[in-house]
Amino acid sequence: LAKTTQPISMDSYEGQEVNITCSHNNIATNDYITWYQQFPSQGPRFIIQGYKTKVTNEVASLFIPADRKSSTLSLPRVSLSDTAVYYCLVAVNQAGTALIFGKGTTLSVSS
Amino acid sequence: GAVVSQHPSRVICKSGTSVKIECRSLDFQATTMFWYRQFPKQSLMLMATSNEGSKATYEQGVEKDKFLINHASLTLSTLTVTSAHPEDSSFYICSARGPPRETQYFGPGTRLLVL
Repeated sequence: LAKTTQPISMDSYEGQEVNITCSHNNIATNDYITWYQQFPSQGPRFIIQGYKTKVTNEVASLFIPADRKSSTLSLPRVSLSDTAVYYCLVAVNQAGTALIFGKGTTLSVSS
Repeated sequence: GAVVSQHPSRVICKSGTSVKIECRSLDFQATTMFWYRQFPKQSLMLMATSNEGSKATYEQGVEKDKFLINHASLTLSTLTVTSAHPEDSSFYICSARGPPRETQYFGPGTRLLVL
């Protein structure tokens, strides 16, 4: 099972760009990298998913180097409402169906 | 993206009673749904995989007789916490894979408090 490592916490100010890097050294060939955002007492919300190179949507960008051993979630111009826990996910359970969560990164945005 | 709903959003029950939580995929069909549990300040922990028309698959350490899962249709899975005790108090979140690319979407969660 591919394991992910990401910083426990990060601090930022409103309007700044935030980059959260996740390492996944033993990612499998057919694994996608998916990032979720979770607010307190809510279910995780899908942010972005990628396999290689760069993916961009209206919320974030995801950068994946050629070796795919890491990925970086980029949040442009964060606001106070971006304060949340961000999870980088690669691993699935033994049956190969469900995502397994690591500890996540708690992002705190201040004014 | 695809939408997953849960009901109820929160429930309080007495110790020894059973509680049922519903999980629905609103705009897609899901042959497989997942149930997670999350304690305060911790990450989500996978409890079981719910399979439409067949038995659920439980993760190691999860009591199948205590957490009954039924997946009777392609859009509905239920989790019943039987004989609930205070230690079962937690945030229960369901999930299902939907379009595109079988992305895993999560419900809003159900807060269970057992008194």
